[in-house]
Amino acid sequence: AQSVTQPDIHITVSEGASLELRCNYSYGATPYLFWYVQSPGQGLQLLLKYFSGDTLVQGIKGFEAEFKRSQSSFNLRKPSVHWSDAAEYFCAVTGGGNKLTFGTGTQLKVEL
Amino acid sequence: NAGVTQTPKFQVLKTGQSMTLQCAQDMNHNSMYWYRQDPGMGLRLIYYSASEGTTDKGEVPNGYNVSRLNKREFSLRLESAAPSQTSVYFCASSAQGTPEAFFGQGTRLTVV
Repeated sequence: AQSVTQPDIHITVSEGASLELRCNYSYGATPYLFWYVQSPGQGLQLLLKYFSGDTLVQGIKGFEAEFKRSQSSFNLRKPSVHWSDAAEYFCAVTGGGNKLTFGTGTQLKVEL
Repeated sequence: NAGVTQTPKFQVLKTGQSMTLQCAQDMNHNSMYWYRQDPGMGLRLIYYSASEGTTDKGEVPNGYNVSRLNKREFSLRLESAAPSQTSVYFCASSAQGTPEAFFGQGTRLTVV
């Protein structure tokens, strides 16, 4: 069965600082990987996805993520965080079927 | 660009009452999903419909039923609500051949 672990429940960074959110997955073959963001009271918005090819993927809002098969990881990064990035971030995995398995989320707080 | 539309946005039920959550998408997607979101648990799949006319159980189907009314609409029914069903419910859809899911704004349900 597929699973996702987001080890950090909460992260606080200062505005302008760099950000890395961790995601580890478990799946037997090549996974499809996603990062979604959820602002308070809103639905989930797709930030970026990895299906195949280049292991460094670019997304919206200046985010990027790197797929590392050897580490079963898909960490999300941003060089300089903005106050508007404060939200909850979810990593998700699927094996080619259409059912996503989500991690428990990381709540990002940005200090001004 | 409506995307995925859920109604209602908020609902309070008494234990034992029934209700139906409605979901419609205008993206001509084949697959539709119902998730519930609980604090610290991420999103968990309740039911999904890979295509019109088919439905399957997800991770947490007990206490719920679904109907894929047509290609656009996928409803979730609680026959006898319980406090454990207090949650935020998200409907999502995806196109055939891709697991990238698009989410609605959610329904916040409280069962008292």
